[in-house]
Amino acid sequence: NAGVTQTPKFQVLKTGQSMTLQCAQDMNHEYMSWYRQDPGMGLRLIHYSVGAGITDQGEVPNGYNVSRSTTEDFPLRLLSAAPSQTSVYFCASRPLRGAYNEQFFGPGTRLTVL
Amino acid sequence: GDSVTQMEGPVTLSEEAFLTINCTYTATGYPSLFWYVQYPGEGLQLLLKATKADDKGSNKGFEATYRKETTSFHLEKGSVQVSDSAVYFCALVRIGGSNYKLTFGKGTLLTVNP
Repeated sequence: NAGVTQTPKFQVLKTGQSMTLQCAQDMNHEYMSWYRQDPGMGLRLIHYSVGAGITDQGEVPNGYNVSRSTTEDFPLRLLSAAPSQTSVYFCASRPLRGAYNEQFFGPGTRLTVL
Repeated sequence: GDSVTQMEGPVTLSEEAFLTINCTYTATGYPSLFWYVQYPGEGLQLLLKATKADDKGSNKGFEATYRKETTSFHLEKGSVQVSDSAVYFCALVRIGGSNYKLTFGKGTLLTVNP
């Protein structure tokens, strides 16, 4: 199993550009989520999904869109990038059953918005 | 809302020294508690977990005990190695919540010198 994969690893955007961060998992996990990591702030939840066709907002959703058309993929879209979105983005997944199951994290995408 | 407070770093130790990273939490109900580790340039990996009061999680020589009376989950290791250099995150998830959101502390950077 590849686990949770993310592409690209690094990206530089100009203010106002759009892009999609890709996330895929091959563990058949129902639950997938996106976090952003900023210095001194830990990780904060952006959006999450409990299955194909179902998404919901986390604590910092503004400026981001998500969709979940398959169990495997959960892309994160920035429609108009802003410097405040410079961060490291992590995708994570876990099975829904089993309340104590760990979340598995991808390697991250480091995004810089100029 | 839920919150996790962990000791601020950075923490610098010599090899074979004793490590303690303090973590306290605020949450309603009975959360599950986790320590995640992030090695340089990588995503987060689960280090250990505890799901109920007085549980002790352990892995790779690290230990943490779920103390409900003091709402704490301090991470300890008796003899650190250079390879333990990483960022450590304390986190909780509230069982029964609808989004399985992990609430993270801000992270503690540990550097172990030979």
